[in-house]
Amino acid sequence: RKEVEQDPGPFNVPEGATVAFNCTYSNSASQSFFWYRQDCRKEPKLLMSVYSSGNEDGRFTAQLNRASQYISLLIRDSKLSDSATYLCALGGSGTYKYIFGTGTRLKVLA
Amino acid sequence: GAVVSQHPSWVICKSGTSVKIECRSLDFQATTMFWYRQFPKQSLMLMATSNEGSKATYEQGVEKDKFLINHASLTLSTLTVTSAHPEDSSFYICSAREGMSREQFFGPGTRLTVL
Repeated sequence: RKEVEQDPGPFNVPEGATVAFNCTYSNSASQSFFWYRQDCRKEPKLLMSVYSSGNEDGRFTAQLNRASQYISLLIRDSKLSDSATYLCALGGSGTYKYIFGTGTRLKVLA
Repeated sequence: GAVVSQHPSWVICKSGTSVKIECRSLDFQATTMFWYRQFPKQSLMLMATSNEGSKATYEQGVEKDKFLINHASLTLSTLTVTSAHPEDSSFYICSAREGMSREQFFGPGTRLTVL
């Protein structure tokens, strides 16, 4: 089993739709969790950290489920500009290294 | 704040040549810098972790003699791809973190094409 798994998509959704992605992980010792956004041929940019209690930033909501070992990202009221690849990243215990998922590609259609 | 730059942004070279990529933290001191490689439609794969003034720690399967990493100061790390071959063509991205923070800040990446 891969350390971090994501559905590669693409998820094609109309503008205004709500869409959710999951990211499952196998290492229960993972301590920190992040969602990154990566546009084509660009570097990843931090979208949000994921906290145990869940957190929201505008139209974006991130949640962590330690028992089932996954994190999720919910995007409400999708915009065309949300089209990108969304990568989850995990940091382990006692290490500052990240392990990235393969990313989920989102296309928001007009 | 927290800006990381990379140079060059793209490079094309002939097989057998060496290519050096620079990664700089512009407005903070980077305790640790990371080098990643990303092939098309794949995820970022960590190649190595470097701490200022010490030898880099390479991930399994990454040849340390081929990918030379130097982290001589708190704001600069370099990756040299020695004797590059077409299969080394990829998107190389560095990141840096400051102090005890877990957050990594990414450079814009360097696209390497080896002919």
